[in-house]
Amino acid sequence: NAGVTQTPKFQVLKTGQSMTLQCAQDMNHNSMYWYRQDPGMGLRLIYYSASEGTTDKGEVPNGYNVSRLNKREFSLRLESAAPSQTSVYFCASSLRALQETQYFGPGTRLLVL
Amino acid sequence: QKEVEQNSGPLSVPEGAIASLNCTYSDRGSQSFFWYRQYSGKSPELIMFIYSNGDKEDGRFTAQLNKASQYVSLLIRDSQPSDSATYLCAVRGVNTNAGKSTFGDGTTLTVKP
Repeated sequence: NAGVTQTPKFQVLKTGQSMTLQCAQDMNHNSMYWYRQDPGMGLRLIYYSASEGTTDKGEVPNGYNVSRLNKREFSLRLESAAPSQTSVYFCASSLRALQETQYFGPGTRLLVL
Repeated sequence: QKEVEQNSGPLSVPEGAIASLNCTYSDRGSQSFFWYRQYSGKSPELIMFIYSNGDKEDGRFTAQLNKASQYVSLLIRDSQPSDSATYLCAVRGVNTNAGKSTFGDGTTLTVKP
């Protein structure tokens, strides 16, 4: 089992460009999450999907959109990147919406110039 | 006031000592409490979770919860250099959907040989 995988590992964008961060899990989990982590800070929830077919905003959703493509995959899209979106992005999954253990992917480091 | 606050750190302890990491939270309705470990450049991984007042032990780790004081701590006994990492406290309230957790900014622990 690969667990939670994310692509790309690293990306540089210019202001105004768009991109999609991909996340997939092979643990048959129902719930998936996108977080961002800025230097010296904890994780802030961007969006989550409690189950296939549903998505909800988290703490910092502005500037992002998500798609729960199927049970395995949950993508995060930046339509018009801004320097304030420079961060490390983590995808996570859990068996159920209230399952305590969230399993994290390795992260995507995004730099917006 | 932040919802979840942790020691500003960094915290440095000698090998073999007890490391004490503290976390306070503002939402009295919080029900579930988590400690994650994050090595530099890596993704977070769950160490422990606790729901009830008192202590919960797992090997060298002990989580302590005091809901009246809105305080949760993590003790690491016989600290090892491999414990050097950032420790994130996460809290989830009773009305939170989809397992949304609020994270503190983390405390960086260094264990010196």
